[in-house]
Order: sequence, then C-alpha cells, then structure tokens
Amino acid sequence: KAGVTQTPRYLIKTRGQQVTLSCSPISGHRSVSWYQQTPGQGLQFLFEYFSETQRNKGNFPGRFSGRQFSNSRSEMNVSTLELGDSALYLCASSLWGRDTQYFGPGTRLTVL
Amino acid sequence: DQQVKQNSPSLSVQEGRISILNCDYTNSMFDYFLWYKKYPAEGPTFLISISSIKDKNEDGRFTVFLNKSAKHLSLHIVPSQPGDSAVYFCAASASEKLVFGKGTKLTVNP
Repeated sequence: KAGVTQTPRYLIKTRGQQVTLSCSPISGHRSVSWYQQTPGQGLQFLFEYFSETQRNKGNFPGRFSGRQFSNSRSEMNVSTLELGDSALYLCASSLWGRDTQYFGPGTRLTVL
Repeated sequence: DQQVKQNSPSLSVQEGRISILNCDYTNSMFDYFLWYKKYPAEGPTFLISISSIKDKNEDGRFTVFLNKSAKHLSLHIVPSQPGDSAVYFCAASASEKLVFGKGTKLTVNP
C-alpha cells in the first residue's frame, strides 16, 4: 500500500503571498489531519477532515484553511503569508481519525 | 497551555542500555496515547500506542507504561541501538485530534 504523499516537498514564498499544499492519504483512509511543526513549538494540530467535512480545528488564525475532496485527498491553504508561517507542514491519514495516524514526509515552507 | 509535556528536550544513552523517555499530560479526558519517532526530513512514524484501560503495552524492544493517576507515560527502549537515534514525540487524544509534546531527541552512542 502506498503511504501518505505530500506535494510539493519544498516551497519558497514571500510575505503576503498565498500557498496551497496537497496531501494524498493512504488508500481507504477517510480522515486527514494537518499539523505544523516548528523548532520551538513542536507539532501543532491545524485541522482534521473526515468525509469532506472539517471535524476538528486547532488554534490557528483564519488565514489557515483546508478542504477535503470526495476521494479523501486534502488541500491546505495559507493566505497572506507571514514570516512566522515558515515551518514543516505535515499531513497524516487514518481510517476514521481515532486510530493510528500515518504521516507523510511533509512540505517545507519557507517565507521570505 | 501545553497539555502534553516532554520535559527533557534531549537524552543520550549508550548502545545496549535502556532508554527511558517521559511524557506528562494534564487533560484527564485523554484516553489514547501514542509515541512517534521522527528522523530529520521525514514525517513522524508511529511506534507504539496504549489505551487508557491498560497500564502497559509491549512491542519488541519498545514498552509504553501509563500511570493514569500521575498522568504520566513513559517509553522504554531495551536494548537501545544507534538506529534508535531520532526525535520521539508523545501524543495524546480525546477525540480525533492528536495533541503532541515538543519531542525528545534521543542519541544512542555506539
């Protein structure tokens, strides 16, 4: 079974721009969660989608949004980028959300 | 408010000895706990989990202990191997949301 894939792996943007990250979950997994990892804060939960609905949300501003498609693929969007948004963005999938989550390799976003 | 805390940012042990990684939590609603291992430039990899109805779960060299009254869990790696060198994250959940600690960097010296 193929693992979780994320594209792109690396991204460089400038302040004020917007960015869209993509995540393809493991086949059959319906839950997709997004996390931000920074050196000082560790892994912080952004949101979780299940069957195209946002089911849980972390404490991030509205500039961070996401969606999930009928094939369970998910996208995350960050608008009006700030320097502090530079981080590794990780996507994880699981069958129904309460079970073990499997992570993708992440997208390294650098905001200049 | 950090609900899951890993108070040791780093740990160094000799190959063959035991590694003990600790994690404390504050939310008594957490009922499922996991440990993940992360190598640089890779996503976290699931290692082992434990439900709140148990106090111990073992998988090969890895054992997780849960002390609900102390709101504490620990991961024991015996014997430690150089390939175990990585950042270990403790995570807890009360719903579909995982709350992670900030991680402990384990270095196993040959």
